[in-house]
Amino acid sequence: GESVGLHLPTLSVQEGDNSIINCAYSNSASDYFIWYKQESGKGPQFIIDIRSNMDKRQGQRVTVLLNKTVKHLSLQIAATQPGDSAVYFCAEMGRAGNMLTFGGGTRLMVKP
Amino acid sequence: ETGVTQSPTHLIKTRGQQVTLRCSSQSGHNTVSWYQQALGQGPQFIFQYYREEENGRGNFPPRFSGLQFPNYSSELNVNALELDDSALYLCASSQDRRNEKLFFGSGTQLSVL
Repeated sequence: GESVGLHLPTLSVQEGDNSIINCAYSNSASDYFIWYKQESGKGPQFIIDIRSNMDKRQGQRVTVLLNKTVKHLSLQIAATQPGDSAVYFCAEMGRAGNMLTFGGGTRLMVKP
Repeated sequence: ETGVTQSPTHLIKTRGQQVTLRCSSQSGHNTVSWYQQALGQGPQFIFQYYREEENGRGNFPPRFSGLQFPNYSSELNVNALELDDSALYLCASSQDRRNEKLFFGSGTQLSVL
């Protein structure tokens, strides 16, 4: 079936550097995408979302980029901090759906 | 922190038993969804409840059932527990049945022995 997946299971960055987490999706009918952060022992926490009629959306220190041509989604975190260490999930939803389909997650480790 | 609360936080059951997990949605949210998250994996959609009725279901057997109450709180029931049911069960609420921008609780960690 359709699925959302991630290129890298673990990403290690130096504190202060920028982080880029990538996600590929296969459902061309997806029109809504969202990134979640999950810390150990907690539920997923909303970071940022984007609709398919946009290519880029910015939040506080985070930017999501959507490339519909190659079905690729990325999350950029500026000036990565130790508190950003967590597992990051992308998820997508089809136009007619009400169900978020999650990828497998990328672990971000921030080195001091 | 979201306003979604789940209970209990941890639970240990034996194979064949039944379990009920509870969730209170965030204020103003009328839709509740349940997800199962196995260790090291992303959450998988179980089902959604909107206005006390099931409004979408993932690839889970009928022994996974649920309820939503008039105050929008919800229960997840699992009968005839299997070892593979061991997982983190997450409840999420949203403002509408489209189910975008889910707000998750911290989950119930279920261990089936």
